[in-house]
Amino acid sequence: DVKVTQSSRYLVKRTGEKVFLECVQDMDHENMFWYRQDPGLGLRLIYFSYDVKMKEKGDIPEGYSVSREKKERFSLILESASTNQTSMYLCASSLLGGQGQAEAFFGQGTRLTVV
Amino acid sequence: AQKVTQAQTEISVVEKEDVTLDCVYETRDTTYYLFWYKQPPSGELVFLIRRNSFDEQNEISGRYSWNFQKSTSSFNFTITASQVVDSAVYFCALSEGTSYDKVIFGPGTSLSVIP
Repeated sequence: DVKVTQSSRYLVKRTGEKVFLECVQDMDHENMFWYRQDPGLGLRLIYFSYDVKMKEKGDIPEGYSVSREKKERFSLILESASTNQTSMYLCASSLLGGQGQAEAFFGQGTRLTVV
Repeated sequence: AQKVTQAQTEISVVEKEDVTLDCVYETRDTTYYLFWYKQPPSGELVFLIRRNSFDEQNEISGRYSWNFQKSTSSFNFTITASQVVDSAVYFCALSEGTSYDKVIFGPGTSLSVIP
């Protein structure tokens, strides 16, 4: 059974803290993604990675960074958490596309509250 | 630029009714992919269908059917004889034919099926 696992289901952090959200997939997928989900806005892409040590900015990268040191792990880093980063964060993975555009597999989400 | 519109924010139906969820997309590419995902209350998005831009055939899978019309840039999703388990948020998504599989999601439609 394919799996994308996010390290925490719920997190509460203080303003200014450095926050790490971890995501691990066991499907040997090349692509990994971080989205944030907010009511009425759907999912917005923060960063994605198509290979180890490779990363591309999505639509809303400001205030975030990512790390992909191993193929199975993709970390999202909030350098200095702010209250407007309170959101649901979703990690996903997929096979590399090209001609065969692959569906994404999602983790269960991390609900982050910044106080 | 890519864009996905789901005009229906929330829909409520009584069990066994049919319901159609609308999706309108914008893209300049001739090669693109469309997706539908379901997000049940548990939070994990589940892939439902993928359609490429060269395949306009409608698809049926059990109680689910999809109507893809390039002329109106729409990819609508119909649930026949709805059930309580269909209650979820449904997302339509679009990606263009690049190798990095960047997927843009619509804002989602929240469907409530009332017993």
